[in-house]
Amino acid sequence: AQRVTQPEKLLSVFKGAPVELKCNYSYSGSPELFWYVQYSRQRLQLLLRHISRESIKGFTADLNKGETSFHLKKPFAQEEDSAMYYCALFPPGNTPLVFGKGTRLSVIA
Amino acid sequence: DAGVTQSPTHLIKTRGQHVTLRCSPISGHKSVSWYQQVLGQGPQFIFQYYEKEERGRGNFPDRFSARQFPNYSSELNVNALLLGDSALYLCASSLDRVGTGELFFGEGSRLTVL
Repeated sequence: AQRVTQPEKLLSVFKGAPVELKCNYSYSGSPELFWYVQYSRQRLQLLLRHISRESIKGFTADLNKGETSFHLKKPFAQEEDSAMYYCALFPPGNTPLVFGKGTRLSVIA
Repeated sequence: DAGVTQSPTHLIKTRGQHVTLRCSPISGHKSVSWYQQVLGQGPQFIFQYYEKEERGRGNFPDRFSARQFPNYSSELNVNALLLGDSALYLCASSLDRVGTGELFFGEGSRLTVL
């Protein structure tokens, strides 16, 4: 069965410190992985996807198939990064997105 | 473009009642998906509709049903409400059936069942 695990419910870091939000997935094939973000009082929105290999708002994520991980990283956290982050898996074949339970990132000034 | 719009934003029902939630996708998007988000959990897939046909169904009881209209808007219906149905119901649209995993979400309808 497809599963996404985000081991941390809450992650607090100081402004300027590095951030790593962990995501592990369970899937036998080659899925697409995504990070979605929800800022306070805003709707859930796509942050980045692994196939793009791009940096969005300073965040990057590398798919590690050996470790089945897709951790989200940012070298220097900003207060505006405080939000709820969801890792999501998109298996091929038009099956729906499978979300993790989410990690709340709190950046302390 | 207003994005995905959902109504109502909040509603309170009692056990045993029925509820209808509505969703209008982004203009040009033909696929609508419904997700349930219980407090402290990630969104859980309920249904996907594309071109007015059900294309996917999550692990939810038959009390949950949905439909998509010719203008691609959608309704989610839940019968015989239980306390456990209290949640944020999210609608998301995408351009086509297969999609790329990129969903555009509405702000949700928060249902409280008393």
